[in-house]
Amino acid sequence: DVKVTQSSRYLVKRTGEKVFLECVQDMDHENMFWYRQDPGLGLRLIYFSYDVKMKEKGDIPEGYSVSREKKERFSLILESASTNQTSMYLCASSLDPGLAGGPTDTQYFGPGTRLTVL
Amino acid sequence: DQQVKQNSPSLSVQEGRISILNCDYTNSMFDYFLWYKKYPAEGPTFLISISSIKDKNEDGRFTVFLNKSAKHLSLHIVPSQPGDSAVYFCAASSYSGGYQKVTFGTGTKLQVIP
Repeated sequence: DVKVTQSSRYLVKRTGEKVFLECVQDMDHENMFWYRQDPGLGLRLIYFSYDVKMKEKGDIPEGYSVSREKKERFSLILESASTNQTSMYLCASSLDPGLAGGPTDTQYFGPGTRLTVL
Repeated sequence: DQQVKQNSPSLSVQEGRISILNCDYTNSMFDYFLWYKKYPAEGPTFLISISSIKDKNEDGRFTVFLNKSAKHLSLHIVPSQPGDSAVYFCAASSYSGGYQKVTFGTGTKLQVIP
């Protein structure tokens, strides 16, 4: 079974703090993703990475950065947390469709981190 | 611009009956569609998918139907069980900028009443 773990289930930070959210997957997946989930807005893609040291902006990258130094680990960084970044953050990983020879877009999600910025 | 829409935020169904969850999309380049299920305090888990070259895919109690001309897909759960109570996300993928990109809908909260 694919396992995606996130460093914290709940996190409370203050406005202006630097926040690190860590995600680790154990299935040697090439692709990793960070989403945030908000009521009425569904899952919105913040950043994704298709290889070590590679990153691509998603739909809402403003206020965030990412780091992928190792294949299994993908970090989301809030440089200066703001109250509008209070949300549920979800990390996911998936296999590269090209290597599997087909459309294997299935993403495997971690349990999420509920971040509150005061 | 919401490319994948789930217009019903919630749905209540009696146990044993059919649950039908709907999803509409606007991007004709989407070539693969998926449904995910999410329980509270857990991450979404993959449920079922369908390629754009098919119009139906069935897996046990779950069937996904795709109507490409209407840009509409639906998830049927028969019979519905209390354990199916969860939020269901529709997702669609396409190649964009050299990558497979997945776009999620806003979710429908299903409640199955015993």
